[in-house]
Amino acid sequence: ILNVEQSPQSLHVQEGDSTNFTCSFPSSNFYALHWYRWETAKSPEALFVMTLNGDEKKKGRISATLNTKEGYSYLYIKGSQPEDSATYLCAFNDQAGTALIFGKGTTLSVSS
Amino acid sequence: DVKVTQSSRYLVKRTGEKVFLECVQDMDHENMFWYRQDPGLGLRLIYFSYDVKMKEKGDIPEGYSVSREKKERFSLILESASTNQTSMYLCASSLAQLYQPQHFGDGTRLSIL
Repeated sequence: ILNVEQSPQSLHVQEGDSTNFTCSFPSSNFYALHWYRWETAKSPEALFVMTLNGDEKKKGRISATLNTKEGYSYLYIKGSQPEDSATYLCAFNDQAGTALIFGKGTTLSVSS
Repeated sequence: DVKVTQSSRYLVKRTGEKVFLECVQDMDHENMFWYRQDPGLGLRLIYFSYDVKMKEKGDIPEGYSVSREKKERFSLILESASTNQTSMYLCASSLAQLYQPQHFGDGTRLSIL
C-alpha cells in the first residue's frame, strides 16, 4: 500500500514568521508530486506539480522543493500572513494510474 | 478558469435511502474523481473515471457506485445510505496526462440520519 506522510499535522505561527513542512512519499515508481492549498469553506487549489528530482517551484512567497531519490518534498512559506492559514495537502502520482494518493495534510494557522 | 460544480453544498438524508451526488465540469476534462474527506483520515478516493462510461475503483468503493454517461458529468450513488457514510464529498477533474493538477468542487457535506 502506497503511503504519503505529512508533518507536522498542524502548526501555529505568528505573522511574518517563515515556516516549512514536509511530505514523504515512496521513492520507487515516482511520477509526480502535487501540492494543494485548502482554505476553510473553499475547494482545494493546486499550487505546484513537480516531476523531476531537484525541481524547485515558486509562487509568490510559497516555494517547494523535490527529492525523488530519498522521497520527500518541502513546502516553504516566507513571511507568513493570516491569509496563508489553510490546510496544505501533498499528493503523489505513481506510474500505475491516474489517481493521486493524498497525505493527511498540514494545517497552518497564522496569527496577526 | 475551470469550474467544477457539485449539485449541493449540504445534504441530509435518511438511512436506507438511495442518494445521488452530482458533479459537472466545464473544461472538457477526461478524468473525474470522487473523494471523501473525514477528520484525521485525509482525502480518500472512492471512484474515478478516465472516459465516458469507464470507471475504476479507488481505495474505498464499498457502498458506492458511479455513473459517467456524459463527459462533463460524474455522479456518485450511495445505493443504501448508512450513517458511516456521513462525510464531506469532493469531486475533482483533470486532463488525461498523468501529472496534470486536479480541479476540485466546493464539496458536499452529507449527513445520514
